[in-house]
Amino acid sequence: EPEVTQTPSHQVTQMGQEVILRCVPISNHLYFYWYRQILGQKVEFLVSFYNNEISEKSEIFDDQFSVERPDGSNFTLKIRSTKLEDSAMYFCASTAFSGTGISEQYFGPGTRLTVT
Amino acid sequence: AQKITQTQPGMFVQEKEAVTLDCTYDTSDPSYGLFWYKQPSSGEMIFLIYQGSYDQQNATEGRYSLNFQKARKSANLVISASQLGDSAMYFCAMREGTVGGAAGNKLTFGGGTRVLVKP
Repeated sequence: EPEVTQTPSHQVTQMGQEVILRCVPISNHLYFYWYRQILGQKVEFLVSFYNNEISEKSEIFDDQFSVERPDGSNFTLKIRSTKLEDSAMYFCASTAFSGTGISEQYFGPGTRLTVT
Repeated sequence: AQKITQTQPGMFVQEKEAVTLDCTYDTSDPSYGLFWYKQPSSGEMIFLIYQGSYDQQNATEGRYSLNFQKARKSANLVISASQLGDSAMYFCAMREGTVGGAAGNKLTFGGGTRVLVKP
């Protein structure tokens, strides 16, 4: 069964450093997303991406964040200068386009980012 | 206002019994979808079941069923015959809009309910 993959599974970085989180969505999916989950809290939407551009972003997704689809398979989230409060689990998700709108979002296993 | 509310932060259930997890939602969009995800201690998000706002029947997937009460804006998850492996966090989520490009809209999650199944 196809699945969304994410690398690395755990990333430790120092405050102020840049990190890039990588995702490989399911191959025939058209919509891609990043969500984050601070430990013990709800899952929060960051950004959605369709047709090589951002389709929606939340207020969390400020200028420190960027997304890119550098080739036909990878989808990346970059945090330019990490802060302590960026420590969270970051989930990538993807969904196929369905005219009936039923397509669920498939989530990757997550990258746990720890900023020290 | 919260779009998705899960009022039960945690609950215990005896193995082999059924459990109902509450979810209420708030939207003015007539077209929306409701999802339930399971998050075990390993952290991944596992899709369980989907209910569309125009679906006439309640969704079912194996031991999971969704008690959809549109007028009350509730979409409770029922897990029948609980197993030890059902111990996890359960999240209710909503996507506003279901037609055409809205199929790509973001999910808004509730705060989750932690379920612990006792042997």
